Amino acid sequence: KAGVTQTPRYLIKTRGQQVTLSCSPISGHRSVSWYQQTPGQGLQFLFEYFSETQRNKGNFPGRFSGRQFSNSRSEMNVSTLELGDSALYLCASSLSQTNEKLFFGSGTQLSVL
Amino acid sequence: AQSVSQHNHHVILSEAASLELGCNYSYGGTVNLFWYVQYPGQHLQLLLKYFSGDPLVKGIKGFEAEFIKSKFSFNLRKPSVQWSDTAEYFCAVKMVDQGGKLIFGQGTELSVKP
Repeated sequence: KAGVTQTPRYLIKTRGQQVTLSCSPISGHRSVSWYQQTPGQGLQFLFEYFSETQRNKGNFPGRFSGRQFSNSRSEMNVSTLELGDSALYLCASSLSQTNEKLFFGSGTQLSVL
Repeated sequence: AQSVSQHNHHVILSEAASLELGCNYSYGGTVNLFWYVQYPGQHLQLLLKYFSGDPLVKGIKGFEAEFIKSKFSFNLRKPSVQWSDTAEYFCAVKMVDQGGKLIFGQGTELSVKP
């Protein structure tokens, strides 16, 4: 069974640009959540999707948005990039919203110059 | 705002030493508690979890954690660490009454010297 797949693995952007990250969950998993990981900050929750609906949202500005498709794949978009957005963005999937075990992808390393 | 705090940023131990990593959270409602581990070059993976019942839970690789409700704590322990336990450890708390949002601590980097 394939794991959680995130693409691209690395991204370099400049300030003001926008970026879209993709996450394909484990087959059969319907819940997808996104986290931002930075040194010293740990993982900060961005949002969670289940059945194409955003179920939870963290404390990030509106420049961060996401969506989930009918096949459970999810995308995350960041507009008007800032230097501080440089981070590892992790996607995690689980069977359902109440299933507690998260399976993480390798992440997308975003560098904003 | 709800938060999860891990007291130690970096812990260095020799093999066979005992380990205890602290985790405290600030939320008075019902919680589910987790420890995740990230070995070098690998994905984050679940180490152990607590939902209800016996507050002492056992996980993989000899790890255990104890939930102390009165102290809002969920400390991770291992009696004797090995070099292969070198990794970053994350405590996470799911606030069940708040729509199930999962909040992670800042992480503790454990280095075990052979």
